[in-house]
Amino acid sequence: ELQLVESGGGLVQPGGSLRLSCVGSGFAFSTYSMNWVRQAPGKGLEWISFITSRSNIIHYADSVKGRFTIARDNAQNSLYLHMNSLRDEDTAVYYCARDVKARGDAFDIWGQGTVVTVSS
Amino acid sequence: QSVLTQPPSVSAAPGQNVIISCSGSRPNIGNNYVAWYQQVPGTAPKLLIYDNDKRPSGIPDRFSGSKSGTSASLGITGLQTGDEADYFCGTWDSSLTAGVFGGGTKLTVL
Repeated sequence: ELQLVESGGGLVQPGGSLRLSCVGSGFAFSTYSMNWVRQAPGKGLEWISFITSRSNIIHYADSVKGRFTIARDNAQNSLYLHMNSLRDEDTAVYYCARDVKARGDAFDIWGQGTVVTVSS
Repeated sequence: QSVLTQPPSVSAAPGQNVIISCSGSRPNIGNNYVAWYQQVPGTAPKLLIYDNDKRPSGIPDRFSGSKSGTSASLGITGLQTGDEADYFCGTWDSSLTAGVFGGGTKLTVL
């Protein structure tokens, strides 16, 4: 079964840090570009970051640039999102998603999501 | 304020057809492929359409996609109560060098 499983969410104070993880299984993880997408409570989807299979191309949304870092370890079939200087508006469900064509425009496998709550 | 514009809601009766629009501009829809997602509240999004009009394996042909210029559309025929969900369009924006989504459209099957 093709699967992505996120972990690492939780409650963190404003200004704090958190690291999200996403493990892929059932497919050749190392050959796919990956993305992080988030959804604030009651809101729509927001793309936040993209990384190619070899980590040679990385993009971020302006809303997280300079605060979040995407990374991957293909040997561990794992994708990461390091989040620093967290703000109230970063509160959301965070999804990792497999990229269909390595273009950042279509995501065919999604994890179940991990909840990040930024609050004092 | 989303880069791509979708109607907040649409509704139709079971068995009827519906079209959901997605409007953008040249750097996004105009120059890139469009995807569509279905999201039942509380669950992860599900890819319905990619490359403007292609369906992943397992997606019924009741779902179709099209693109013209800087706009795209998702068509659903023979509506079923199980189609009630939020629908999002998405693409890449070459000017922003970022992925972008529409604000989402809530489909109600009356």
